[in-house]
Amino acid sequence: AQKVTQAQTEISVVEKEDVTLDCVYETRDTTYYLFWYKQPPSGELVFLIRRNSFDEQNEISGRYSWNFQKSTSSFNFTITASQVVDSAVYFCALSEAVETSGSRLTFGEGTQLTVNP
Amino acid sequence: NAGVTQTPKFQVLKTGQSMTLQCAQDMNHNSMYWYRQDPGMGLRLIYYSASEGTTDKGEVPNGYNVSRLNKREFSLRLESAAPSQTSVYFCASRIYPAGTYEQYFGPGTRLTVT
Repeated sequence: AQKVTQAQTEISVVEKEDVTLDCVYETRDTTYYLFWYKQPPSGELVFLIRRNSFDEQNEISGRYSWNFQKSTSSFNFTITASQVVDSAVYFCALSEAVETSGSRLTFGEGTQLTVNP
Repeated sequence: NAGVTQTPKFQVLKTGQSMTLQCAQDMNHNSMYWYRQDPGMGLRLIYYSASEGTTDKGEVPNGYNVSRLNKREFSLRLESAAPSQTSVYFCASRIYPAGTYEQYFGPGTRLTVT
């Protein structure tokens, strides 16, 4: 069975601080995908990034960066110089990479990030 | 492109009433999904349809039924609503086969059962 754990339920920072959101996953699959989604106060779910299990390179996109470490089953998300607009719930998710099964997403419980001015 | 659309946005039902949540996508995706989101529990899969003509149960299917009407549309029905079904419901879709596995979500339906 797959499992995603986001141990930080809520994080509060002051604007311009750096913040890291933790994600730890469990899977028996050798091939899988990891994702981060953002849910702003308006409620929609916005896809941020995908990483497959064979690609352990870190990725940077503007103020966002992701650190994938297969050895520790972690896929952490860092926001540099946080802004008020970053306030949202962030979800980490895991998908098996088996085409015949519909490739369901398993979500973590989410981390509520509040960035205060 | 509208992406994934859901109707209605909000709904209040009384216990025992029935209703159908509608979902449509215009991205030519084959796979479609229904999730529910409850506080502190992330999103949990109710049902999914890997391709037109197939549907399968997810993690929490009890009390729900689905219909994959055509490639674009995937509806979720509550036959006899219960207060435990108060939740936010999200529909999602993805490319299948091939593709890169990310799912794209609709705006959600907030359902309250009294």
